[in-house]
Amino acid sequence: DVKVTQSSRYLVKRTGEKVFLECVQDMDHENMFWYRQDPGLGLRLIYFSYDVKMKEKGDIPEGYSVSREKKERFSLILESASTNQTSMYLCASSFSGGGNQPQHFGDGTRLSIL
Amino acid sequence: AQSVTQLGSHVSVSEGALVLLRCNYSSSVPPYLFWYVQYPNQGLQLLLKYTSAATLVKGINGFEAEFKKSETSFHLTKPSAHMSDAAEYFCAVSDKNTGFQKLVFGTGTRLLVSP
Repeated sequence: DVKVTQSSRYLVKRTGEKVFLECVQDMDHENMFWYRQDPGLGLRLIYFSYDVKMKEKGDIPEGYSVSREKKERFSLILESASTNQTSMYLCASSFSGGGNQPQHFGDGTRLSIL
Repeated sequence: AQSVTQLGSHVSVSEGALVLLRCNYSSSVPPYLFWYVQYPNQGLQLLLKYTSAATLVKGINGFEAEFKKSETSFHLTKPSAHMSDAAEYFCAVSDKNTGFQKLVFGTGTRLLVSP
């Protein structure tokens, strides 16, 4: 089974802090994704990566950056956390080869910014 | 741009009753379609996917979905609900015209199952 592991289930940080969310997958997937999930809005794509050191903006990249130094690890960075970034963050990974590849998700990190 | 509409943010059924969760997509070219389920405090798990083979797709846990091009729909059904089906369900679409997978999700439907 594919395993996508997010480093923290719950995280509490303060406004203005730099926050790192880590994600590791064990299936040698080329693609990795970061989403945020908010009630009534579904999942919205923040950033994705299709190869090491490659990154692409998703639909809501403002206030975020990412890093992918190794194939199995994809980090989401909140440069200066703000209260409107309080949310559930989900990491996912998939094989390349077109849009018919399903994404595999981690259990999420519930982030609170105080 | 692709979009997905899930009618009903909440659906309530009794145990043993039919489950019907609705999903409509907007695309002139039939896309790839997915249904995911999210149990409390967990990530999303793939239920089933449509990739242009059979229009009736069977998934895990007794769920199935039918692709109807004329209605641009991909509704999820289960003949008999079980208490363990209580969860949030997301429909998602991926554009066939891009070589890269980017999913667009609906806003989700929470399924409530009463005894």
